[in-house]
Parts: sequence; structure tokens; C-alpha cells
Amino acid sequence: GQNIDQPTEMTATEGAIVQINCTYQTSGFNGLFWYQQHAGEAPTFLSYNVLDGLEEKGRFSSFLSRSKGYSYLLLKELQMKDSASYLCAGLDSNYQLIWGAGTKLIIKP
Amino acid sequence: NAGVTQTPKFRVLKTGQSMTLLCAQDMNHEYMYWYRQDPGMGLRLIHYSVGEGTTAKGEVPDGYNVSRLKKQNFLLGLESAAPSQTSVYFCASSYSAGEAVWSNEQFFGPGTRLTVL
Repeated sequence: GQNIDQPTEMTATEGAIVQINCTYQTSGFNGLFWYQQHAGEAPTFLSYNVLDGLEEKGRFSSFLSRSKGYSYLLLKELQMKDSASYLCAGLDSNYQLIWGAGTKLIIKP
Repeated sequence: NAGVTQTPKFRVLKTGQSMTLLCAQDMNHEYMYWYRQDPGMGLRLIHYSVGEGTTAKGEVPDGYNVSRLKKQNFLLGLESAAPSQTSVYFCASSYSAGEAVWSNEQFFGPGTRLTVL
């Protein structure tokens, strides 16, 4: 089976940097996805990692360490519009996404 | 392109009533999914489909049925609604599901907020 863990809630300040961690335990692993979900809206794709290392996309970066079963999403130069939930999802051995409960990120001015 | 659309957006049912949620996608995706999302829990897969005419059970299939008669449509039915089925329901689609990790990216509809009294 697969288990995805991430913090329930985090708070950060506008303009700062925040790192949202995700750990996974899986009997088969094919990749790690990050999605953003604003309150009352649908999840939208941010990034995925297959190999170890950092993937950068503008203000957002995602890191993966397969040996440690660990990923993080790094958000730089935080803006108020980044207030949302961030969902971590692992792609299991059957190529199904297994979702974490999400981390609610609160940005303060 | 509209992407993934869902109808209705909101619905209130009484216990025992039935209803069908409709999902449509215009991206020619093979795979389609129905999830429910409850507070404090991750998205949980109800049923999914790997192509027209095929469906399979997900993590929480009890109390739901699905059909995929056309490639672009995926219907979720509740035969006899229960208060435990109060949730937000999301439909999603992906190009496929396999070794090409990019193809596993799921595109979501706006959701249906269902309340069962």
C-alpha cells in the first residue's frame, strides 16, 4: 500500500519563502505530484518529480529524494494569492495517484 | 476548450433519493476518475475508467455506480443517498496512466457540492 503524509497547516509571511514537506511510504513508486487547490475550487497541477533532485518552475520548486521517501514544495516570494491548500500525491505501482490530505497554507501580510 | 466540466454544481438530496452526476471532458483523454473530498482527508477515488465502456472500483466504491458509454462522458450515480455521502465530488481525466509520467497528470472539473439530509 501507500501512505502520504504532509502537515495540516502552515503559516508564512508575504514575500517570504516556505517549504511544504511530504513523506510517502509505498510498495511501488513511480513519481510524486504536487497540486494547488484554492478554497472552493478544483485542484490544479503544479509539478511532478520522477528522479531525485530539484525541479524549478518560476517561484515554485519541487524536490524529491526517493531513497528517503521525501519530497518538498518550495514557494518563493510569497504572494497573498498563494494562500491555498497544497496536495501531495504519489503515483503508485499501478499508476494511480494516492493523495495526501493537503497542507493549508496561510499567508499573512 | 472547456476542459473538464461537471453538472450540477450544487445539490441537496434527502436520504434515500437517487441522482446522477455528469462529467464531460473535451481533451480526448482515455482515463477518467471520480473522487470525493472530505474535510481533513485526501481525495479518495470512488471509481475510474480506462476507456469507453470500461469501469473499475477505486478505494471507496460502495453506494456508487458509474458508466462510461461515451469516451468524453463519465457518470456517477447514487442509488439511495445517505448522509455519509455528503461531500464534494470531483471528476478528473488524464491522457493515460503509465510509464510516461506526464500522461498521468490529472485535470479536474470544478466539483459538485452534495448535501444529503
